[in-house]
Amino acid sequence: DADVTQTPRNRITKTGKRIMLECSQTKGHDRMYWYRQDPGLGLRLIYYSFDVKDINKGEISDGYSVSRQAQAKFSLSLESAIPNQTALYFCATSDFGGNTIYFGEGSWLTVV
Amino acid sequence: ELKVEQNPLFLSMQEGKNYTIYCNYSTTSDRLYWYRQDPGKSLESLFVLLSNGAVKQEGRLMASLDTKARLSTLHITAAVHDLSATYFCAMDSNYQLIWGAGTKLIIKP
Repeated sequence: DADVTQTPRNRITKTGKRIMLECSQTKGHDRMYWYRQDPGLGLRLIYYSFDVKDINKGEISDGYSVSRQAQAKFSLSLESAIPNQTALYFCATSDFGGNTIYFGEGSWLTVV
Repeated sequence: ELKVEQNPLFLSMQEGKNYTIYCNYSTTSDRLYWYRQDPGKSLESLFVLLSNGAVKQEGRLMASLDTKARLSTLHITAAVHDLSATYFCAMDSNYQLIWGAGTKLIIKP
């Protein structure tokens, strides 16, 4: 099994719909992250969480919300999807030292 | 503004050649990461550089860090086709990673 599992892997949704991307990890790490990747750009941080009670906004949090349901689970929601949220989304986790960050396989989201 | 700039953004090279990807960053950082991404795939950790003068090597890839110049390099020696991928550097800023735009590397036989 993968260390970081994202579901769904692909989703097409309509403008205005709510969608949730889920992430679970088996590394036992406290830190989890959601990133967005657009073609030709690096990753941009949406939200990060250092433990279940600690959630922080990243660089581009507008239009997104998150929930840390457990140490191993961190979900990302788009409350009202818009086309410019079409992107590849990555969940990641790291240990306290942050020396290695483990990424999920990515979730392709298309908003039409 | 926190920025990470990579260059070149695109590189096409022949097998057997050497080349270097450069990563400049805008502020002091405790660590610098290099990742590889194959098309449509996740990101694979290559190196984490933690101190000035750090050098790490894995196979044909070698990464170095100069914190005074705010510069990291990823050097490819005697490139082979399997190294074709997009390479990203990222700097740590208060436990958030700021990413470069990536260098798409194509290695031709």
